[in-house]
Amino acid sequence: RKEVEQDPGPFNVPEGATVAFNCTYSNSASQSFFWYRQDCRKEPKLLMSVYSSGNEDGRFTAQLNRASQYISLLIRDSKLSDSATYLCVVNSGNTPLVFGKGTRLSVIA
Amino acid sequence: NAGVTQTPKFRILKIGQSMTLQCTQDMNHNYMYWYRQDPGMGLKLIYYSVGAGITDKGEVPNGYNVSRSTTEDFPLRLELAAPSQTSVYFCASSGDSYSNQPQHFGDGTRLSIL
Repeated sequence: RKEVEQDPGPFNVPEGATVAFNCTYSNSASQSFFWYRQDCRKEPKLLMSVYSSGNEDGRFTAQLNRASQYISLLIRDSKLSDSATYLCVVNSGNTPLVFGKGTRLSVIA
Repeated sequence: NAGVTQTPKFRILKIGQSMTLQCTQDMNHNYMYWYRQDPGMGLKLIYYSVGAGITDKGEVPNGYNVSRSTTEDFPLRLELAAPSQTSVYFCASSGDSYSNQPQHFGDGTRLSIL
């Protein structure tokens, strides 16, 4: 099993839709989780950290399910500007963070 | 508010040439990283450093070298450029830990080897 797995997509959704991505991780001892956003031909940028109790930032909600070893990202009321690749990032022991390959989202007018 | 700065932004090399990709950060971060990203693919860790004078191999170190003489700078050297090294290279840094602190990225160096 890969350390971090994501559905590559693409997810094509209309403006205003709600979309959710899941990401599974293999190391049950992982403690830190993040979602990054990467626009085409740009660098990854931190979108939000994921806390045990779940957290929300505007239209974005991140959740952690330790029992099933996955994290999720929910985007409500999708905007055209949300079109990007979303990277799941997990720590895996005493090594640098592990980046997933990303899920592509296209929001269509 | 510079953050992580990479130079150059673009470069074309001939096979067998060498070059150094520069990376500097002004956040006083101990941890720094080099990644490569091929088109449509995920990030692959090349090398990382946990502080001045200390470097370690990542997933794909072959064909590259790094040094970390100061906290701020973490250059990546290609000694004998090969077409397989055509990629976008990202440098990143993080604060007190590499396992639970988010990384901050530079805007990348696009390298083509012909």
